[in-house]
Amino acid sequence: AQKITQTQPGMFVQEKEAVTLDCTYDTSDPSYGLFWYKQPSSGEMIFLIYQGSYDQQNATEGRYSLNFQKARKSANLVISASQLGDSAMYFCAMRRKNTGNQFYFGTGTSLTVIP
Amino acid sequence: DVKVTQSSRYLVKRTGEKVFLECVQDMDHENMFWYRQDPGLGLRLIYFSYDVKMKEKGDIPEGYSVSREKKERFSLILESASTNQTSMYLCASSSGQENSPLHFGNGTRLTVT
Repeated sequence: AQKITQTQPGMFVQEKEAVTLDCTYDTSDPSYGLFWYKQPSSGEMIFLIYQGSYDQQNATEGRYSLNFQKARKSANLVISASQLGDSAMYFCAMRRKNTGNQFYFGTGTSLTVIP
Repeated sequence: DVKVTQSSRYLVKRTGEKVFLECVQDMDHENMFWYRQDPGLGLRLIYFSYDVKMKEKGDIPEGYSVSREKKERFSLILESASTNQTSMYLCASSSGQENSPLHFGNGTRLTVT
């Protein structure tokens, strides 16, 4: 069963604008972690941001923020002031303690920033 | 900085060959993972290990095996390579802490002809 869902295969955003990449997850575990990764065309996987299931506040890291809505089981990534270098694949992932700390990934969203 | 090193960036093998993909991490992480990445399918977990000599099957273990004889090294073995195993293979490691992300190697692009 799909545990992480990213419904946007491709997204476009104008440079300097904000963009939201959607992620929903499915778990009945009380404790879990949510992560976002960026994969540029070079292929490396870059960790962006983390949100714990018990965290009261939304995580932020520079231009990245995570819109965490626990009741809706969503963990959307918001990128503010988009830059050309933000063009990449973005993956949402969930870490479940109850399954030996396995990480489950979504299918990814390809973001293109337009000058 | 955590470094996860995969032994080969590109590999070309023939159908039926036994293939070894090696991965080494230098941060004393307990957990190590092998994923394969295919367009439109995201990253799918093949095997993971949470300790030396321990291994757990992921979502797509068929046709693969793994070995973890030392904490820093996690090997993926394709017993008899097939063309449907042509893919990008990503190794990763993480500590046991809840907020510890996965640290990835640069990947091995395997082509089976």
